[in-house]
Amino acid sequence: DAGVTQSPTHLIKTRGQQVTLRCSPKSGHDTVSWYQQALGQGPQFIFQYYEEEERQRGNFPDRFSGHQFPNYSSELNVNALLLGDSALYLCASSPRWLAETQYFGPGTRLLVL
Amino acid sequence: AQSVAQPEDQVNVAEGNPLTVKCTYSVSGNPYLFWYVQYPNRGLQFLLKYITGDNLVKGSYGFEAEFNKSQTSFHLKKPSALVSDSALYFCAVRAINDMRFGAGTRLTVKP
Repeated sequence: DAGVTQSPTHLIKTRGQQVTLRCSPKSGHDTVSWYQQALGQGPQFIFQYYEEEERQRGNFPDRFSGHQFPNYSSELNVNALLLGDSALYLCASSPRWLAETQYFGPGTRLLVL
Repeated sequence: AQSVAQPEDQVNVAEGNPLTVKCTYSVSGNPYLFWYVQYPNRGLQFLLKYITGDNLVKGSYGFEAEFNKSQTSFHLKKPSALVSDSALYFCAVRAINDMRFGAGTRLTVKP
Protein backbone atom coordinates (compact mmCIF):
# COMPACT_ATOMS: atom_id res chain seq x y z
CA ASP A 1 0.00 0.00 0.00
CA ALA A 2 1.68 3.18 -1.21
CA GLY A 3 1.72 6.11 1.12
CA VAL A 4 1.43 9.73 0.08
CA THR A 5 3.56 10.45 -2.97
CA GLN A 6 4.69 13.81 -4.32
CA SER A 7 6.39 14.95 -7.49
CA PRO A 8 8.83 16.29 -8.36
CA THR A 9 11.23 15.84 -5.45
CA HIS A 10 13.23 18.96 -6.27
CA LEU A 11 12.56 21.98 -8.45
CA ILE A 12 14.47 25.13 -9.35
CA LYS A 13 12.63 28.16 -10.73
CA THR A 14 13.34 31.84 -11.22
CA ARG A 15 11.42 34.79 -9.86
CA GLY A 16 8.17 35.49 -11.69
CA GLN A 17 7.75 31.97 -13.00
CA GLN A 18 4.91 29.61 -12.22
CA VAL A 19 5.18 26.15 -10.68
CA THR A 20 2.90 23.13 -10.29
CA LEU A 21 3.44 20.50 -7.62
CA ARG A 22 1.60 17.17 -7.54
CA CYS A 23 0.37 14.87 -4.81
CA SER A 24 -1.25 11.46 -4.72
CA PRO A 25 -2.93 10.62 -1.41
CA LYS A 26 -2.62 7.42 0.54
CA SER A 27 -4.98 4.69 -0.66
CA GLY A 28 -8.41 5.15 0.90
CA HIS A 29 -7.89 8.84 1.66
CA ASP A 30 -10.04 11.48 0.01
CA THR A 31 -8.79 14.68 1.66
CA VAL A 32 -5.57 16.47 0.76
CA SER A 33 -3.88 19.34 2.58
CA TRP A 34 -0.86 21.37 1.50
CA TYR A 35 1.76 22.91 3.77
CA GLN A 36 4.76 25.17 3.26
CA GLN A 37 7.80 24.51 5.43
CA ALA A 38 10.46 27.20 5.27
CA LEU A 39 13.95 26.35 6.42
CA GLY A 40 14.13 26.06 10.19
CA GLN A 41 10.40 26.44 10.71
CA GLY A 42 7.36 24.29 11.26
CA PRO A 43 4.91 23.60 8.44
CA GLN A 44 2.40 26.34 7.66
CA PHE A 45 -1.05 25.34 6.41
CA ILE A 46 -1.86 26.53 2.88
CA PHE A 47 -5.23 24.90 2.10
CA GLN A 48 -7.22 21.70 2.19
CA TYR A 49 -9.25 19.97 -0.55
CA TYR A 50 -12.16 17.60 -0.17
CA GLU A 51 -14.62 16.50 -2.85
CA GLU A 52 -12.68 18.56 -5.40
CA GLU A 53 -13.30 21.81 -3.53
CA GLU A 54 -11.11 24.02 -1.38
CA ARG A 55 -12.55 23.66 2.11
CA GLN A 56 -10.16 25.63 4.30
CA ARG A 57 -7.39 28.09 3.59
CA GLY A 58 -4.54 29.44 5.62
CA ASN A 59 -2.98 32.87 5.44
CA PHE A 60 -1.50 32.61 1.93
CA PRO A 61 -2.04 35.00 -1.01
CA ASP A 62 -4.09 34.18 -4.06
CA ARG A 63 -0.88 33.37 -5.94
CA PHE A 64 -1.25 29.99 -4.26
CA SER A 65 -4.02 27.93 -5.80
CA GLY A 66 -4.91 24.30 -6.01
CA HIS A 67 -7.00 21.63 -7.53
CA GLN A 68 -8.25 18.19 -6.62
CA PHE A 69 -9.10 15.59 -9.24
CA PRO A 70 -11.79 12.88 -9.15
CA ASN A 71 -9.17 10.30 -8.19
CA TYR A 72 -8.38 12.49 -5.11
CA SER A 73 -4.94 13.50 -6.33
CA SER A 74 -4.13 17.17 -6.03
CA GLU A 75 -2.01 19.95 -7.49
CA LEU A 76 -0.58 23.05 -5.88
CA ASN A 77 0.07 25.98 -8.21
CA VAL A 78 2.12 29.00 -7.32
CA ASN A 79 2.18 31.99 -9.69
CA ALA A 80 4.60 34.91 -9.88
CA LEU A 81 7.19 33.17 -7.74
CA LEU A 82 9.08 35.16 -5.14
CA LEU A 83 12.40 34.35 -3.51
CA GLY A 84 10.48 33.83 -0.27
CA ASP A 85 8.52 30.99 -1.81
CA SER A 86 11.61 28.80 -1.54
CA ALA A 87 10.62 26.04 0.86
CA LEU A 88 9.70 22.40 1.28
CA TYR A 89 6.12 21.88 0.18
CA LEU A 90 4.37 19.05 1.98
CA CYS A 91 1.20 17.26 1.01
CA ALA A 92 -0.83 15.41 3.64
CA SER A 93 -3.83 13.15 3.23
CA SER A 94 -6.52 11.83 5.56
CA PRO A 95 -9.56 9.59 5.21
CA ARG A 96 -12.15 12.38 5.53
CA TRP A 97 -11.99 16.10 5.90
CA LEU A 98 -12.84 16.03 9.59
CA ALA A 99 -10.32 13.29 10.38
CA GLU A 100 -7.72 14.03 13.00
CA THR A 101 -4.61 12.29 11.70
CA GLN A 102 -2.89 13.43 8.54
CA TYR A 103 -0.25 11.39 6.76
CA PHE A 104 2.51 13.33 5.01
CA GLY A 105 4.40 12.80 1.80
CA PRO A 106 8.15 13.33 1.47
CA GLY A 107 7.72 16.83 0.09
CA THR A 108 8.90 18.85 -2.89
CA ARG A 109 11.89 21.11 -2.34
CA LEU A 110 11.39 24.34 -4.32
CA LEU A 111 14.23 26.77 -4.82
CA VAL A 112 13.44 30.16 -6.37
CA LEU A 113 16.44 32.07 -7.76
CA ALA B 1 -6.44 31.28 18.53
CA GLN B 2 -5.14 27.73 18.62
CA SER B 3 -1.37 27.48 18.91
CA VAL B 4 1.48 25.39 20.27
CA ALA B 5 4.90 26.36 21.52
CA GLN B 6 8.05 24.30 21.75
CA PRO B 7 10.29 26.16 24.20
CA GLU B 8 13.50 24.31 23.34
CA ASP B 9 15.17 24.54 19.93
CA GLN B 10 17.56 21.74 20.80
CA VAL B 11 17.58 18.81 23.21
CA ASN B 12 20.65 16.65 23.77
CA VAL B 13 20.57 13.33 25.60
CA ALA B 14 22.85 10.35 25.94
CA GLU B 15 21.80 7.02 24.49
CA GLY B 16 19.93 4.94 27.05
CA ASN B 17 18.80 7.96 29.07
CA PRO B 18 15.18 9.11 29.20
CA LEU B 19 14.22 11.96 26.91
CA THR B 20 11.59 14.68 27.08
CA VAL B 21 10.62 17.10 24.34
CA LYS B 22 8.38 19.87 25.62
CA CYS B 23 5.21 21.32 24.13
CA THR B 24 2.67 23.76 25.53
CA TYR B 25 -0.60 24.62 23.89
CA SER B 26 -3.20 27.35 23.78
CA VAL B 27 -6.66 26.37 22.62
CA SER B 28 -10.27 27.23 23.17
CA GLY B 29 -12.27 24.10 23.83
CA ASN B 30 -10.93 20.57 23.85
CA PRO B 31 -7.52 20.22 22.23
CA TYR B 32 -6.59 17.75 19.54
CA LEU B 33 -2.82 17.40 19.95
CA PHE B 34 -0.24 15.59 17.85
CA TRP B 35 3.45 14.76 17.69
CA TYR B 36 5.26 14.27 14.40
CA VAL B 37 8.90 13.46 13.65
CA GLN B 38 10.90 14.57 10.63
CA TYR B 39 14.12 12.95 9.48
CA PRO B 40 16.49 14.78 7.09
CA ASN B 41 15.03 15.31 3.61
CA ARG B 42 11.87 13.49 4.59
CA GLY B 43 8.26 14.38 5.24
CA LEU B 44 6.64 14.25 8.65
CA GLN B 45 5.87 10.91 10.29
CA PHE B 46 2.97 10.61 12.73
CA LEU B 47 3.99 9.50 16.24
CA LEU B 48 0.91 9.87 18.43
CA LYS B 49 -2.14 11.96 19.21
CA TYR B 50 -4.37 13.00 22.09
CA ILE B 51 -8.06 13.44 21.39
CA THR B 52 -9.72 12.46 24.66
CA GLY B 53 -9.42 9.85 27.39
CA ASP B 54 -6.29 8.66 29.18
CA ASN B 55 -3.78 11.46 29.76
CA LEU B 56 -0.86 9.15 28.89
CA VAL B 57 -0.82 8.41 25.19
CA LYS B 58 1.39 5.69 23.73
CA GLY B 59 2.64 5.96 20.18
CA SER B 60 5.08 4.60 17.66
CA TYR B 61 8.72 3.60 18.29
CA GLY B 62 8.31 3.52 22.08
CA PHE B 63 7.31 7.16 22.39
CA GLU B 64 4.59 8.39 24.70
CA ALA B 65 3.16 11.76 25.63
CA GLU B 66 1.50 13.10 28.73
CA PHE B 67 -1.43 15.45 28.42
CA ASN B 68 -1.62 17.88 31.34
CA LYS B 69 -4.66 20.13 31.23
CA SER B 70 -3.73 22.27 34.23
CA GLN B 71 -0.30 23.05 32.81
CA THR B 72 -1.55 23.11 29.18
CA SER B 73 1.31 20.84 28.21
CA PHE B 74 1.75 17.81 26.00
CA HIS B 75 5.36 16.67 26.48
CA LEU B 76 6.81 13.85 24.40
CA LYS B 77 8.76 11.21 26.33
CA LYS B 78 10.73 8.02 25.86
CA PRO B 79 12.21 5.95 28.70
CA SER B 80 15.43 5.04 26.87
CA ALA B 81 16.72 7.09 23.94
CA LEU B 82 18.32 5.58 20.85
CA VAL B 83 20.81 7.24 18.52
CA SER B 84 18.29 6.60 15.73
CA ASP B 85 15.78 8.87 17.56
CA SER B 86 17.88 11.88 16.51
CA ALA B 87 15.56 13.99 14.36
CA LEU B 88 13.34 17.07 14.32
CA TYR B 89 10.17 16.79 16.41
CA PHE B 90 7.03 18.85 15.90
CA CYS B 91 4.09 19.33 18.20
CA ALA B 92 0.81 20.32 16.53
CA VAL B 93 -2.74 21.25 17.44
CA ARG B 94 -5.81 20.75 15.31
CA ALA B 95 -7.57 24.07 14.94
CA ILE B 96 -11.04 24.53 13.50
CA ASN B 97 -9.87 25.01 9.95
CA ASP B 98 -6.27 23.89 9.92
CA MET B 99 -3.37 22.33 11.77
CA ARG B 100 -0.94 24.55 13.67
CA PHE B 101 2.62 23.34 14.16
CA GLY B 102 5.29 24.42 16.59
CA ALA B 103 8.69 25.57 15.35
CA GLY B 104 10.21 22.19 16.10
CA THR B 105 12.80 20.77 18.51
CA ARG B 106 15.94 19.13 17.25
CA LEU B 107 16.72 16.04 19.32
CA THR B 108 20.27 14.73 19.30
CA VAL B 109 21.02 11.43 21.00
CA LYS B 110 24.72 10.83 21.54
CA PRO B 111 26.22 7.35 21.83
